Amino acid sequence: SQQGEEDPQALSIQEGENATMNCSYKTSINNLQWYRQNSGRGLVHLILIRSNEREKHSGRLRVTLDTSKKSSSLLITASRAADTASYFCATDFRGGFKTIFGAGTRLFVKA
Amino acid sequence: DTAVSQTPKYLVTQMGNDKSIKCEQNLGHDTMYWYKQDSKKFLKIMFSYNNKELIINETVPNRFSPKSPDKAHLNLHINSLELGDSAVYFCASSQEAEAFFGQGTRLTVV
Repeated sequence: SQQGEEDPQALSIQEGENATMNCSYKTSINNLQWYRQNSGRGLVHLILIRSNEREKHSGRLRVTLDTSKKSSSLLITASRAADTASYFCATDFRGGFKTIFGAGTRLFVKA
Repeated sequence: DTAVSQTPKYLVTQMGNDKSIKCEQNLGHDTMYWYKQDSKKFLKIMFSYNNKELIINETVPNRFSPKSPDKAHLNLHINSLELGDSAVYFCASSQEAEAFFGQGTRLTVV
């Protein structure tokens, strides 16, 4: 399977704590993306990191990529209740015409 | 304005029926997709179109037939619906890597 796999499957933290989610994939990639899905809604793009990048920041988000280990992590700092959602990593194949998603990490932030 | 819109949002139908889900994007993107999200939230690509041409068909049963009349529209027609087709179907579009998703169509086959 080419799908990314997120770890953990579910994560429950207190507001203000940091949340770390990991993603592993199996084949070479051009880039890796992270998406968020609120309950009952479509996915929203958060951040993209290219294969030649090791770390990227966007607001409270920090993404790392280790192509030697075929893994990525998403760190959400100072979490808020509004961060409660499922988070998916995604990798591109076939020149970008095939984006494969993992099973997601369900994050629950308690107020 | 909604970037990627799908209709209907909910669809309840009986086994054996034929149904369609429509998708339109106003982003000017060349590539559109259909994804299926099952009850375990696993998101699986079904089809990918680029400029009205089918690029990816992920071994989806031929009861599922996508149609792209123009690059802004990608509709999904499903024949002879089965219980296992119950899921949330998402349409998406992209120009480069970032994909924009519709709000999903929750299909329930009874």
